[in-house]
Amino acid sequence: ETGVTQTPRHLVMGMTNKKSLKCEQHLGHNAMYWYKQSAKKPLELMFVYSLEERVENNSVPSRFSPECPNSSHLFLHLHTLQPEDSALYLCASSQEAWGGNEKLFFGSGTQLSVL
Amino acid sequence: GDSVTQMEGPVTLSEEAFLTINCTYTATGYPSLFWYVQYPGEGLQLLLKATKADDKGSNKGFEATYRKETTSFHLEKGSVQVSDSAVYFCALSAIQGAQKLVFGQGTRLTINP
Repeated sequence: ETGVTQTPRHLVMGMTNKKSLKCEQHLGHNAMYWYKQSAKKPLELMFVYSLEERVENNSVPSRFSPECPNSSHLFLHLHTLQPEDSALYLCASSQEAWGGNEKLFFGSGTQLSVL
Repeated sequence: GDSVTQMEGPVTLSEEAFLTINCTYTATGYPSLFWYVQYPGEGLQLLLKATKADDKGSNKGFEATYRKETTSFHLEKGSVQVSDSAVYFCALSAIQGAQKLVFGQGTRLTINP
């Protein structure tokens, strides 16, 4: 496989459930990101990791908990979510996390529905 | 803070029509500017970028010019195809600090044969 792979593609969960989203990149990149894509709203950056260290946390509620065990894998752990958290969650990677000119490579996303 | 504003969609055109999708930005300093495209069922992919004023990014027949005086980065294509149907996102990235792409809300484009 090449590129950025996200699993699962679709997820339905209740508000009391605990689930995790997984992202894997096969590009040898050092930076990984979580974005939230809601209908009719701009993409929202949630977290940035550089070499497994979190370097950005955009005021995301604690019910979203990221984990980056190595530079190829990124998880988003979910617990006690709200219906308004339903969205497409996109993972991305880039060679580095700094400089502003980096091209981001996105996965296809996980479509999350919270009931 | 930094922000990007795109023209409201959806936009529907006939094949071979001329396309313009407007994008303006507000930013501190001189950011890099990007257009990303999202085809149905896929993630975003970089279409083109420009890193300084008056630069023109181009790819697959699409073009956009970084206009500092009007803080704009409008996307254009002279003759669209059905395969160009997608959602287009304008974005900026500040050059200071951790990479943070700030996106517009996206413009859905549908091309009819």
